Amino acid sequence: DAGITQSPRYKITETGRQVTLMCHQTWSHSYMFWYRQDLGHGLRLIYYSAAADITDKGEVPDGYVVSRSKTENFPLTLESATRSQTSVYFCASSKAGRYSGNTIYFGEGSWLTVV
Amino acid sequence: SQQGEEDPQALSIQEGENATMNCSYKTSINNLQWYRQNSGRGLVHLILIRSNEREKHSGRLRVTLDTSKKSSSLLITASRAADTASYFCATDANNAGNMLTFGGGTRLMVKP
Repeated sequence: DAGITQSPRYKITETGRQVTLMCHQTWSHSYMFWYRQDLGHGLRLIYYSAAADITDKGEVPDGYVVSRSKTENFPLTLESATRSQTSVYFCASSKAGRYSGNTIYFGEGSWLTVV
Repeated sequence: SQQGEEDPQALSIQEGENATMNCSYKTSINNLQWYRQNSGRGLVHLILIRSNEREKHSGRLRVTLDTSKKSSSLLITASRAADTASYFCATDANNAGNMLTFGGGTRLMVKP
């Protein structure tokens, strides 16, 4: 379904370049997340946002920047891409806080290769 | 670091057999969830079990939770080739705010 969309789906970039991955959700969910998925590490949280203009670091935030000026958008920027940032990036959203079970809905992923 | 660890890392079975995947975690939790990921796709929520529940069913899925052992299992009965995917457990730890922490996943292959 098209509730949460990521773009681009596939990107090849060079070391040192700035890259922005876009994420858009149509559910008006409060929470949005960025995860990266790597073999041997599972999914790791990069950044999350509890609401517009509120963002916080996750487990692996170094080298990434996020913003959330509107509830529906949560772009992730790699300021100066490195090869170690080659990964699959997943944007996700959740409608409520912990006491409602906070099920997370994922986008289809953005495959990023840094050469 | 991963809160949840799945076991086995990979599982190969024949269609019609049952598949059991286990998840162990380290700290007390509010709830535990299982997600499925088809190759090249995003994760999809399957089922949530709260810390005060011991067993939950959804179709061919059965999830158990043993908080004393800090473990959960996901059973898929009468598996089908279409069940081939990776399965992840995710925990909402009491000390982790609203964040879910995912395990490394179990890769399930169901052979027709």
